[in-house]
Amino acid sequence: SAVISQKPSRDICQRGTSLTIQCQVDSQVTMMFWYRQQPGQSLTLIATANQGSEATYESGFVIDKFPISRPNLTFSTLTVSNMSPEDSSIYLCSVKEGGNTEAFFGQGTRLTVV
Amino acid sequence: GEDVEQSLFLSVREGDSSVINCTYTDSSSTYLYWYKQEPGAGLQLLTYIFSNMDMKQDQRLTVLLNKKDKHLSLRIADTQTGDSAIYFCAESSSWGYKYIFGTGTRLKVLA
Repeated sequence: SAVISQKPSRDICQRGTSLTIQCQVDSQVTMMFWYRQQPGQSLTLIATANQGSEATYESGFVIDKFPISRPNLTFSTLTVSNMSPEDSSIYLCSVKEGGNTEAFFGQGTRLTVV
Repeated sequence: GEDVEQSLFLSVREGDSSVINCTYTDSSSTYLYWYKQEPGAGLQLLTYIFSNMDMKQDQRLTVLLNKKDKHLSLRIADTQTGDSAIYFCAESSSWGYKYIFGTGTRLKVLA
């Protein structure tokens, strides 16, 4: 199984600022995803990070608010832009290796916006 | 749209069996998963089942799938305090591309 490292593990940020979250995988993976888990709620898919092209966003999420990069098959970043308290959540990176069925998750980044 | 529902809380005594239930609406679900989330940690895949299976057993875990009723359950035998966590069921209709997660069930194991 892939080992996923997310940085930072947690942060407290001022409203109006931006935070970039990094996701590093120890092996090349086919697919990388970013999820949001709001307090006490389930996980919601934000977007699929595509290598070498623009990310594919789910309904309700836009590139201007959540720009995503994926320069290679082992690394991706998610930026939460112009943050407000409503952005306080856990953000999780997820990966899929080739033809396997299961997705693996990073430990998440706990973001608090004040 | 697709929806996955779970009860929010379950409390059991140590040594008893736990049964966590999940219902889903997407009839094209191909894979169904159970994930465990411990406090401050990411999600850990516990087990998964293909939609053409009725049951899957893996040590203390038993997954039952009733495709007709779109009902999935996870049974944990001999529940231990270390099993206390939030359990999420999830489904995907394609080759694991997009996962729809349930609301999560918080399992509390009483000593």
